[in-house]
Amino acid sequence: DADVTQTPRNRITKTGKRIMLECSQTKGHDRMYWYRQDPGLGLRLIYYSFDVKDINKGEISDGYSVSRQAQAKFSLSLESAIPNQTALYFCATSDPQLLEAQYFGPGTRLLVL
Amino acid sequence: AQSVTQLDSQVPVFEEAPVELRCNYSSSVSVYLFWYVQYPNQGLQLLLKYLSGSTLVKGINGFEAEFNKSQTSFHLRKPSVHISDTAEYFCAVSDKGAQKLVFGQGTRLTINP
Repeated sequence: DADVTQTPRNRITKTGKRIMLECSQTKGHDRMYWYRQDPGLGLRLIYYSFDVKDINKGEISDGYSVSRQAQAKFSLSLESAIPNQTALYFCATSDPQLLEAQYFGPGTRLLVL
Repeated sequence: AQSVTQLDSQVPVFEEAPVELRCNYSSSVSVYLFWYVQYPNQGLQLLLKYLSGSTLVKGINGFEAEFNKSQTSFHLRKPSVHISDTAEYFCAVSDKGAQKLVFGQGTRLTINP
């Protein structure tokens, strides 16, 4: 079984709809991250969480919110989706004992019409 | 603020030829450096990392990278590529202790038979 899972893997939605992307991990890591990937831009950090009670904005948090329901679960919400949020979204985890290396889920491909 | 520049967006090479993917970073503090690989329709996988010590780092699948502090570079090399190396490669940097990665734009490596 995969250590970091994301659901759904693909989603098509309409402008203005609320959508939630979910991430679960079995690695036992405290730290979790949400990124979006756009062609030619690499990965950009949306939000990150160093433990259940710690939530931090990343580089591009506008239009997004997150919830850390448990150590193993970190959800990303788009309150009112817009077409320029069409992207590939990745969840990642890390353990400070492993000195910065992050472990990525398979990604969620989101299309906003 | 940190930044990472991958100098080539696409690199085509023939099978069994050597390849170098270039990465330069900017940071005012000590850093950790990473290379990740993304195979088609998959998440990112850690290829190798530089934390400290020897400036030549060996990773999986025969890849290696050399940290050059004076040139602020961390170029990735492989002496002989295989068709299965076709993927997108991302360079990333993290300030020591920050636990946040900043990614480059990615380099798409295409192997021609």
